[in-house]
Amino acid sequence: QITLKESGPTLVKPTQTLTLTCTFSGFSLSTTGVGVGWIRQPPGKALEWLALVYWDDDKHYSPSLNPRLTITKDTSKNQVVLTMTDMDPVDTATYYCAHRLGGHGTSYTFDYWGQGTLVTVSS
Amino acid sequence: DIVMTQSPDSLAVSLGERATINCKSSQSVFYRSNNNNYLAWYQQRPGQPPKLLIYWASTRESGVPDRFSGSGSGTDFTLTISSLQAEDVALYYCQQYGSIPWTFGQGTRVEIK
Repeated sequence: QITLKESGPTLVKPTQTLTLTCTFSGFSLSTTGVGVGWIRQPPGKALEWLALVYWDDDKHYSPSLNPRLTITKDTSKNQVVLTMTDMDPVDTATYYCAHRLGGHGTSYTFDYWGQGTLVTVSS
Repeated sequence: DIVMTQSPDSLAVSLGERATINCKSSQSVFYRSNNNNYLAWYQQRPGQPPKLLIYWASTRESGVPDRFSGSGSGTDFTLTISSLQAEDVALYYCQQYGSIPWTFGQGTRVEIK
């Protein structure tokens, strides 16, 4: 059974750096084809893809946010960490992490999602 | 970036009737390398994370009721709910995952008439 859970601060101040942790179970990030990504959703708005790390440590970022984002994985801890620098009130959103599997017969996109964590940016 | 545009933004359908949501991509999401459209549909109920319904444009995820179906190719796609049930009230998003950055549509809200 695959589960993911996001954790981190619920409130950050403008210009601070946000660090979010995705702790997962039921799969290994050392398995070929596996990836974990981050997606956010501002209140009442659409989903926005942020970053993705693959089993082989290949990483991809949203070009519009790239300079501010860093994604890392710790396979031994079953965790993926996302950092976002220079936070602004417009970054207020629910942040989700999600599992992705590539390979024969799979979807290649996000099939399992965490419940999300709401991060508010305010002074 | 590939822009995903959904229509309509919202629709109200009577219970048991058909609901149709359209999604148009600014570039083709069909890739000849594996003959697939890199297009997915998600359902998001209030207060819940998105749930994968359809991938490869028309493949139903395991456990998804067969009243949900996806069709289309290239740049034009459709999600159809053949007989709307009360539990289908939700936001629906299309997503392309063939080109970085992966992008989502703006969402379509489905309600009961």
